[in-house]
Amino acid sequence: DAGITQSPRYKITETGRQVTLMCHQTWSHSYMFWYRQDLGHGLRLIYYSAAADITDKGEVPDGYVVSRSKTENFPLTLESATRSQTSVYFCASSTQTNTGELFFGEGSRLTVL
Amino acid sequence: QKEVEQNSGPLSVPEGAIASLNCTYSDRGSQSFFWYRQYSGKSPELIMFIYSNGDKEDGRFTAQLNKASQYVSLLIRDSQPSDSATYLCAVNPLTGTASKLTFGTGTRLQVTL
Repeated sequence: DAGITQSPRYKITETGRQVTLMCHQTWSHSYMFWYRQDLGHGLRLIYYSAAADITDKGEVPDGYVVSRSKTENFPLTLESATRSQTSVYFCASSTQTNTGELFFGEGSRLTVL
Repeated sequence: QKEVEQNSGPLSVPEGAIASLNCTYSDRGSQSFFWYRQYSGKSPELIMFIYSNGDKEDGRFTAQLNKASQYVSLLIRDSQPSDSATYLCAVNPLTGTASKLTFGTGTRLQVTL
């Protein structure tokens, strides 16, 4: 039972490059989320998706793009990475009826040089 | 202005003692409240949720909610070294979706031998 997996776990890239972080869940949860976690800011929502082909912005969406063509996948793309996007990124999922019980992936640590 | 406030700690308690973690929130209309535990370098995991005023107990954990005073707390009885982690408070102003869930920055708990 893999649950929710993220890849890559660690990534170093340069300013201006495009980066895609992958997220895959095996539970068929309706909702999927992307958070970033930074010291002093806690977890902040970037984008979320209520179902396939339905996505919406969270608190800090600028500089990020998401898609959800299949229920189980929710990739996050940084179209032109900036140093301020250096962070730990967590993908999470939840069932349709849960209001806050999130199941998190292991996280992807991204460093932008 | 932060919407969910937590003391960053570290909160140090001896093994076997009661650890008390506190969280205040600004949105008086908040509906549901969550405590997540995050070990260093790992992803958050849900340990408790509470919706109604009062206490909710689950094993060694008790969540307390006081909506009038806008605070929620987590008590850990018989603290163990394995409880050493960062505890994230999360508050949701809505029901039915986790898209507005707001996290505090977390309190780091250290349980000493």
